[in-house]
Amino acid sequence: DVKVTQSSRYLVKRTGEKVFLECVQDMDHENMFWYRQDPGLGLRLIYFSYDVKMKEKGDIPEGYSVSREKKERFSLILESASTNQTSMYLCASTRGGVSYNEQFFGPGTRLTVL
Amino acid sequence: AQKITQTQPGMFVQEKEAVTLDCTYDTSDPSYGLFWYKQPSSGEMIFLIYQGSYDQQNATEGRYSLNFQKARKSANLVISASQLGDSAMYFCAMREGLGTSYDKVIFGPGTSLSVIP
Repeated sequence: DVKVTQSSRYLVKRTGEKVFLECVQDMDHENMFWYRQDPGLGLRLIYFSYDVKMKEKGDIPEGYSVSREKKERFSLILESASTNQTSMYLCASTRGGVSYNEQFFGPGTRLTVL
Repeated sequence: AQKITQTQPGMFVQEKEAVTLDCTYDTSDPSYGLFWYKQPSSGEMIFLIYQGSYDQQNATEGRYSLNFQKARKSANLVISASQLGDSAMYFCAMREGLGTSYDKVIFGPGTSLSVIP
């Protein structure tokens, strides 16, 4: 059974803390994505990566950074968490290159910044 | 600018009736893919259906069909014979830039569908 896992389902952090959200996939997918989901706004793309050590900014990268040191792992970093980063964070992966395969999603991390 | 538009924030449909969820998109790439996902209250994202920009025929998957009108840049999802379990958020998504550094998938704001018994 294919899987995308995220390190936490729920996370509560304080303003100014550094936050790491980890995503691991076991499907040998090239492409990985981080989204945040807010009511009425859908899923907004934060960062994506098409290969190890490669990253591209999505639509809302401000306040976030990412790391992809291994093919299976894609980390989202909030350098200094703020209350407006309270949200649901979804990681996804898909096969790259030859065809438009669907994405597989993790269960999400609901982050609350106090 | 919003590249995926879903103009219906919420919709109701009677059980066993058909319903159409609207989606329009914007891209200058000649090659792209369009997807629909379902997100029930449990939060998981469930892939429903896919349409390639070069596909000649509209995609179908069981009770789901995609009404693809390329010239209008629309990719509406049709659910036939609605069931109570169809109550969920539905997201339209587009993938473009296949195989390039900007190979990405973007989503619309979603439509909340409620099926009434």
